[in-house]
Amino acid sequence: EVQLVESGGGLIQPGGSLRLSCAASGFTLSRHWMNWVRQAPGKGLVSVSRINSDGSDTAYADSVKGRFTISRDNAKNTLYLQMNDLRAEDTAVYYCARGASGYIYGLIDSWGQGTLVAVSS
Amino acid sequence: QLVLTQSPSASASLGASVKLTCTLSSGHSNYVIAWHQQQPEKGPRYLMRLNSDGSHIKGDGIPDRFSGSSSGAERYLTISSLQSEDEADYYCQTWGAGTVFGGGTKLTVL
Repeated sequence: EVQLVESGGGLIQPGGSLRLSCAASGFTLSRHWMNWVRQAPGKGLVSVSRINSDGSDTAYADSVKGRFTISRDNAKNTLYLQMNDLRAEDTAVYYCARGASGYIYGLIDSWGQGTLVAVSS
Repeated sequence: QLVLTQSPSASASLGASVKLTCTLSSGHSNYVIAWHQQQPEKGPRYLMRLNSDGSHIKGDGIPDRFSGSSSGAERYLTISSLQSEDEADYYCQTWGAGTVFGGGTKLTVL
């Protein structure tokens, strides 16, 4: 069974840093692109970042470029999101999401349960 | 620019059918998309992938009541025999340089 379990969220002051982790199990992480997707309170799903299967290619939403860094450790079956210089508008539930196999690698086919990041003084 | 457009809301009666639409931006009509469901206070759930020819493959455990179809740049999600638990937000998703989501459609079951 595919499982994605996020951790590392919490309450943080503006300007602070957090590192989110996503522990993957039930599949071979190295065969899949991975995503971080967030959802602000009462809003829709928004892509934050994605990374290809070996970590050599990444993409970021304009709103987080230069502040967030996505990375992965395939040997540890873990995806990360380093978030620096956090702002109130980064407050959201952050979901880890898996890309599908094969040529549809950019389609999300599995989701974690999410971790809440709240940025407030 | 790759954009997915969804109506903000839809409604249908219990036991009826509803068809939700996701429209791909100009020049992207051949893109494959995914449909995701998010029930109130829950995380998203993958429903299916939907090709430009209307063929679709559903995720594990997705009921037969859920189906997909396509016409040009339009991608549809049809839910038949609506049940109360189908009341949820529905998102379409695809990718280009980055991952793209539609704005979501809030489905109300009357």
